[in-house]
Amino acid sequence: DGGITQSPKYLFRKEGQNVTLSCEQNLNHDAMYWYRQDPGQGLRLIYYSQIVNDFQKGDIAEGYSVSREKKESFPLTVTSAQKNPTAFYLCASRSLSPNTGELFFGEGSRLTVL
Amino acid sequence: AQSVTQLDSHVSVSEGTPVLLRCNYSSSYSPSLFWYVQHPNKGLQLLLKYTSAATLVKGINGFEAEFKKSETSFHLTKPSAHMSDAAEYFCVVSSMIKAAGNKLTFGGGTRVLVKP
Repeated sequence: DGGITQSPKYLFRKEGQNVTLSCEQNLNHDAMYWYRQDPGQGLRLIYYSQIVNDFQKGDIAEGYSVSREKKESFPLTVTSAQKNPTAFYLCASRSLSPNTGELFFGEGSRLTVL
Repeated sequence: AQSVTQLDSHVSVSEGTPVLLRCNYSSSYSPSLFWYVQHPNKGLQLLLKYTSAATLVKGINGFEAEFKKSETSFHLTKPSAHMSDAAEYFCVVSSMIKAAGNKLTFGGGTRVLVKP
C-alpha cells in the first residue's frame, strides 16, 4: 500500500546524543515535511523540502538537521544542540500539483530524552 | 499572508448529539482548506478538503464542512457524535501558489470529548 513510514515509533536518547528519525514515502510526492508536536501546542514546522537536494528551515529549525538525497526519503536528525528534544515528531508529504495539496502523515515517532 | 483560528480549544458533546468545530481563516490567495483528525499517539488523518469546487464538502465518518467566503469560515460538523469521534481536530489552510511558497498553516487544534 502507498503511504508514509516513520521509524522508530519510540526512541529514547541520553542527553548529548544525536538521533536520526527516518521518514520514507512511496507516494511519489514532491514535498516532504517534518513537524514537532508538544502537548497543547499543535504542530510546528521544523524543516521542509519541495525538491531533491533542497530544503528550507521552518519555524523551529534550531537544533535539527535534514537531508533530501532521494525523493522518497527525508530523515531528520535531532542534534545535541536541541535544548528540549522530548516530543512527538510527525513526517508528512504531499504532491505540489494543482488542485491537490493535502498532506499525508506518517504515524509519528515519539522521542524521549532521559 | 495567511492564518487559521480554531475558535474552541476544547469541545464536549454527548454521544448522539451534533458536533460543531469552528474554523476561521485568512488568506491573500484563493485557499485550499482541510480538516484533519488525530487520535492519541497517531498521525493525522484527512477528514475532508475544499479546493474551490462545491462549497459544501462531505468527508469520511459522517463529517462535513461548509466553505463560506463571505465569513472566511470553514466549520466542521457531524449530525450525531460517536464515542470514536473523541480526538483532536486540526483545520489547515494552504495556498497552492508557488510565489507564496506553497505554504501550509495549521490551526491550534480542537480537542473533542464525547460523553456517553
